[in-house]
Amino acid sequence: DSGVTQTPKHLITATGQRVTLRCSPRSGDLSVYWYQQSLDQGLQFLIQYYNGEERAKGNILERFSAQQFPDLHSELNLSSLELGDSALYFCASSPGQGISGGYGYTFGSGTRLTVV
Amino acid sequence: GENVEQHPSTLSVQEGDSAVIKCTYSDSASNYFPWYKQELGKRPQLIIDIRSNVGEKKDQRIAVTLNKTAKHFSLHITETQPEDSAVYFCAAKGQAGTALIFGKGTTLSVSS
Repeated sequence: DSGVTQTPKHLITATGQRVTLRCSPRSGDLSVYWYQQSLDQGLQFLIQYYNGEERAKGNILERFSAQQFPDLHSELNLSSLELGDSALYFCASSPGQGISGGYGYTFGSGTRLTVV
Repeated sequence: GENVEQHPSTLSVQEGDSAVIKCTYSDSASNYFPWYKQELGKRPQLIIDIRSNVGEKKDQRIAVTLNKTAKHFSLHITETQPEDSAVYFCAAKGQAGTALIFGKGTTLSVSS
């Protein structure tokens, strides 16, 4: 167990629907990062939060949004789902973003999303 | 932003041989370069990392080298074993707290 908890593990939904993926970071970690992993694209960075605030955006579609709550858990919301959104979604956490923090993530086990 | 290229995409070796995976990065400000191993159906796990003030780092059978001038870094696995079979990802990060940008991965197959 890495200490980073993602739920649900599997999700099957229809095109056009909306889903929410949840991530609880490792105890003490303030930063949460979301990544999408599809077969031919490796690990694509979506978005980063630090202590409740958005810090960086990567290749995140406008149909996707995220937030980090006061208890530091994060949710990734995917709407108007398309077949191409089927992928493994990972969240990772790291201690922070000071000089000594922000290195060496710990990944959760991922949520496998299948859009049919 | 940062862009990381990784080669080769697939690598097949015989047990006991060495394997080398190479990555290049675009942002000269990047200062942290980790490598992750992902077994089938599992999460990526950190296996070794190097910071920009170090040229080489070893941990048993694995080593990473960094050439900041050329903006490339490599993973070396010696005496490969079947359990080394997995997908390996390189990544680069700028200042502390920014997100890791990953290469597209190398599928390593070690046959006995």
